[in-house]
Amino acid sequence: RKEVEQDPGPFNVPEGATVAFNCTYSNSASQSFFWYRQDCRKEPKLLMSVYSSGNEDGRFTAQLNRASQYISLLIRDSKLSDSATYLCVVNSGQGGKLIFGQGTELSVKP
Amino acid sequence: SAVISQKPSRDICQRGTSLTIQCQVDSQVTMMFWYRQQPGQSLTLIATANQGSEATYESGFVIDKFPISRPNLTFSTLTVSNMSPEDSSIYLCSVEDRVQGLREQYFGPGTRLTVT
Repeated sequence: RKEVEQDPGPFNVPEGATVAFNCTYSNSASQSFFWYRQDCRKEPKLLMSVYSSGNEDGRFTAQLNRASQYISLLIRDSKLSDSATYLCVVNSGQGGKLIFGQGTELSVKP
Repeated sequence: SAVISQKPSRDICQRGTSLTIQCQVDSQVTMMFWYRQQPGQSLTLIATANQGSEATYESGFVIDKFPISRPNLTFSTLTVSNMSPEDSSIYLCSVEDRVQGLREQYFGPGTRLTVT
């Protein structure tokens, strides 16, 4: 079993749609959780850190369920510019090591 | 967040040669890391670059193949030695910053390596 698993995608949605990405992690000792966004041929950029109580940043909402070892990202009112690969990332707690999921590709169409 | 630069941005190298990638940060950081992203794959941690001591390598990566230097708190190098086509990848450095008590990592623009 992979340490971090994500929906395989790709997700093809129209502009204005709401889309949700799910992610599970296997190490119950994981301490920090993140969503990164990676555009084609670019480096990953931190989108959101995920806090225990869940957090919202504009159109983006991230939630964490430690009991189920599950993380989610909700994007409302999708824009064309949201098209990218979204990476679920978990800090294993071992000296800052990040474990990356395989990523979910999102394509927002006009 | 810190501004991170990498050199070179890309290179095409012949098998058997070595390439050294540089990572420069505009502020002092304690933690620096080197990752690899193979074509169509996600990122994998190669090693943690420790200032003043040997790097800490992840399983599957060894110092002879990926020697790392960290002479100060703003700079690190990763060398890919005796390259083969399987080393064709994007190599990224990252730095850690503490934001509201949370340890967050930020990535450099990456070095795209092709080995022929």
